[in-house]
Amino acid sequence: DVKVTQSSRYLVKRTGEKVFLECVQDMDHENMFWYRQDPGLGLRLIYFSYDVKMKEKGDIPEGYSVSREKKERFSLILESASTNQTSMYLCATRNLPPDTQYFGPGTRLTVL
Amino acid sequence: GENVEQHPSTLSVQEGDSAVIKCTYSDSASNYFPWYKQELGKRPQLIIDIRSNVGEKKDQRIAVTLNKTAKHFSLHITETQPEDSAVYFCAASEGSTLGRLYFGRGTQLTVWP
Repeated sequence: DVKVTQSSRYLVKRTGEKVFLECVQDMDHENMFWYRQDPGLGLRLIYFSYDVKMKEKGDIPEGYSVSREKKERFSLILESASTNQTSMYLCATRNLPPDTQYFGPGTRLTVL
Repeated sequence: GENVEQHPSTLSVQEGDSAVIKCTYSDSASNYFPWYKQELGKRPQLIIDIRSNVGEKKDQRIAVTLNKTAKHFSLHITETQPEDSAVYFCAASEGSTLGRLYFGRGTQLTVWP
């Protein structure tokens, strides 16, 4: 049974703070993804990684960075949080295509 | 890159009726088409998928059809129940190792008892 976990379900931060969101998977999957989900805008891809230390920009990478030092862990970093980054953040993992993609439970981030 | 469009954005049906959600894609190299269901407050979960060498796939009350020539695929839910109420996302993917899925914007399905 695939397990994808995220470090927090809810997070409240102040504008300008550095924020770390962590995702951990236990299935030895190659590919990991970070999305943000906002009402009416669906799932928008921020960054993804297909191997350790490898990363690719998604559709909305501005204001974010990522780190993948170990295969099982993929971190999303907000260098200086802003109010427009208030959102639901979903991590996902997937083995080599065309395998199923699995989502984590999500982190609801509020930036005040 | 790939562009996936999904319609309608909202859909209301009476319990027992059928529901159909349609998606189109732009990249003819796409060969994998999953559908996800997201209940309120929960993570998206795969409910059915289809690969490009298959035209239709069924799993109990849900089915997906694929028309590669027209580049569109559809989700069909028969005998809808209130627990089918959720947001449904379609997606498309080509077979590269990058493994990225391109998602539609989602359809909010409401099934009235």
